[in-house]
Amino acid sequence: DTGVSQDPRHKITKRGQNVTFRCDPISEHNRLYWYRQTLGQGPEFLTYFQNEAQLEKSRLLSDRFSAERPKGSFSTLEIQRTEQGDSAMYLCASSLAGLADPWGYQETQYFGPGTRLLVL
Amino acid sequence: AQSVTQPDIHITVSEGASLELRCNYSYGATPYLFWYVQSPGQGLQLLLKYFSGDTLVQGIKGFEAEFKRSQSSFNLRKPSVHWSDAAEYFCAVGSILTGGGNKLTFGTGTQLKVEL
Repeated sequence: DTGVSQDPRHKITKRGQNVTFRCDPISEHNRLYWYRQTLGQGPEFLTYFQNEAQLEKSRLLSDRFSAERPKGSFSTLEIQRTEQGDSAMYLCASSLAGLADPWGYQETQYFGPGTRLLVL
Repeated sequence: AQSVTQPDIHITVSEGASLELRCNYSYGATPYLFWYVQSPGQGLQLLLKYFSGDTLVQGIKGFEAEFKRSQSSFNLRKPSVHWSDAAEYFCAVGSILTGGGNKLTFGTGTQLKVEL
């Protein structure tokens, strides 16, 4: 169990550029979440995958944001035409849906270290 | 919609002193409550969670939390703080998503400073 990893850890980009972040969940975890955390705030939910299916998206996720999880393993989050307001820490979390708790009432989400994005 | 309030932005305690971090939630049904800790450069780590049953929940690192439905609170406590506990603490409430899964709604966090 190597934990959730995210790449890159830091990204500086100019306004209008596209960026892509990667998240590698804990092996065998079938649920994957993306959150965004701005300075002085708690993380906010962006989107959620169960296996390869994207089942939920927050209203925070504008059309410039797209997330994928091909083959139900790693996930990518792309931001097109970045804006200064996109500057934040982007966090990924994974969890395992078990037979004893299929809806995830008691699930533990394991978070990665995050990707810090700065848009100039 | 669910929400979480952490009224204390910063708290400073002396090492060895007791600690209580406050958390109030707003949720229509039975809440699923969590406390996470975030250290610089580290991911969020789960300290403890409440789903049902005993309202006093034990977690890792000597932390505990008590669920009080009448006060809509889930305060985090530790009897004796260590310098390594300095970090940011987040309270969260979960809500079940379509097809399963748990969307966490976090408070704004409490930054804990420990004086030696």
